[in-house]
Amino acid sequence: SQKIEQNSEALNIQEGKTATLTCNYTNYSPAYLQWYRQDPGRGPVFLLLIRENEKEKRKERLKVTFDTTLKQSLFHITASQPADSATYLCALPSGSARQLTFGSGTQLTVLP
Amino acid sequence: DAGITQSPRYKITETGRQVTLMCHQTWSHSYMFWYRQDLGHGLRLIYYSAAADITDKGEVPDGYVVSRSKTENFPLTLESATRSQTSVYFCASSDARQGANLRQPQHFGDGTRLSIL
Repeated sequence: SQKIEQNSEALNIQEGKTATLTCNYTNYSPAYLQWYRQDPGRGPVFLLLIRENEKEKRKERLKVTFDTTLKQSLFHITASQPADSATYLCALPSGSARQLTFGSGTQLTVLP
Repeated sequence: DAGITQSPRYKITETGRQVTLMCHQTWSHSYMFWYRQDLGHGLRLIYYSAAADITDKGEVPDGYVVSRSKTENFPLTLESATRSQTSVYFCASSDARQGANLRQPQHFGDGTRLSIL
């Protein structure tokens, strides 16, 4: 069956460093992958989408890579700030009707 | 304001009761979704709808009922609530129709925290 794993439940880093979050998947051949941010008590918010033929995508301090051979996506936040503290979810398309399957998320804490 | 709103934000009820969670979106998005989010399971799809009067089951539909008589509303009903349905429920919408819109992201409400005693 299809499975998505995000590398760890929690990640603590120092302000100014680069945070790297991992999303691994099995039994998928996704055409794209999405990343979302979720703050406590709020719904997920879309950040980035990367297609299978794109190796890397950037948006301001965010960078996403997508390796279809390794079946892995890496999500980087450079020059991290305490305001980046949140849970980050990866999501892959599934089913036949615009469905997404979400990973369980990685909780990032950026320490001042 | 444009967006997607869920009500109520918090609800406490008892086992066996019927409870309806409301979801309203102002974008006229074709697709709407209901998820539940639990520790250790992440977001799991309950039901989704491709358009008014078109609904289908997701990963965990048992014990839930949905309807979509209007494009903007997608209520979720627990017909006889059980303690295992205690969770945070999220509604989402997407404009993912055909062609270039296939990869459109989902837009989420802020959830309903439901406790069943």
